[in-house]
Amino acid sequence: DAGITQSPRHKVTETGTPVTLRCHQTENHRYMYWYRQDPGHGLRLIHYSYGVKDTDKGEVSDGYSVSRSKTEDFLLTLESATSSQTSVYFCAISESKGAETQYFGPGTRLLVL
Amino acid sequence: GENVEQHPSTLSVQEGDSAVIKCTYSDSASNYFPWYKQELGKRPQLIIDIRSNVGEKKDQRIAVTLNKTAKHFSLHITETQPEDSAVYFCAASPGNQFYFGTGTSLTVIP
Repeated sequence: DAGITQSPRHKVTETGTPVTLRCHQTENHRYMYWYRQDPGHGLRLIHYSYGVKDTDKGEVSDGYSVSRSKTEDFLLTLESATSSQTSVYFCAISESKGAETQYFGPGTRLLVL
Repeated sequence: GENVEQHPSTLSVQEGDSAVIKCTYSDSASNYFPWYKQELGKRPQLIIDIRSNVGEKKDQRIAVTLNKTAKHFSLHITETQPEDSAVYFCAASPGNQFYFGTGTSLTVIP
């Protein structure tokens, strides 16, 4: 597996609380992505980053924000968690955009009560 | 944006038979089409990919075909084995983003 870690791996939180998920890579890849995976929906892109401090929205970005202050770290924040954000969150990295392989992290299972 | 549809959602085959999973896409700008395998509780892992300048690609028992005119691409697994049982996702990328199909749960019956 590519050098990607996610923390925490599991989290239970309450509605209305802020939550931050961390993705860390050791591959020095420029592109990093956050996806959520839900039954019947496959993987849906939340936000992605194409460099330090350079980020853009994906198809399901409402309620989420991201930050990338270093090449190796990409943070996903749920400002005020809702039950609809219960999901498995995957980080992914790729060396360049478009036609390049994406490698996925191990995932974070988030439960919002 | 791009829209990727994947069929079937579930597929059961006898060990040794072939399995075919099909995907369609909508954005003619898409030029990269990876396939991922995801075992239960694990991360998606790339098994094969194809670029828009290629019509077919094969890697041992796995092959992918691409028809740009019809905007569809397919995954073919021959001589299936129980360890092929997993969820398979197709994806299409027109540039910065990847768009995924909803997945096919493949069960190989020994």
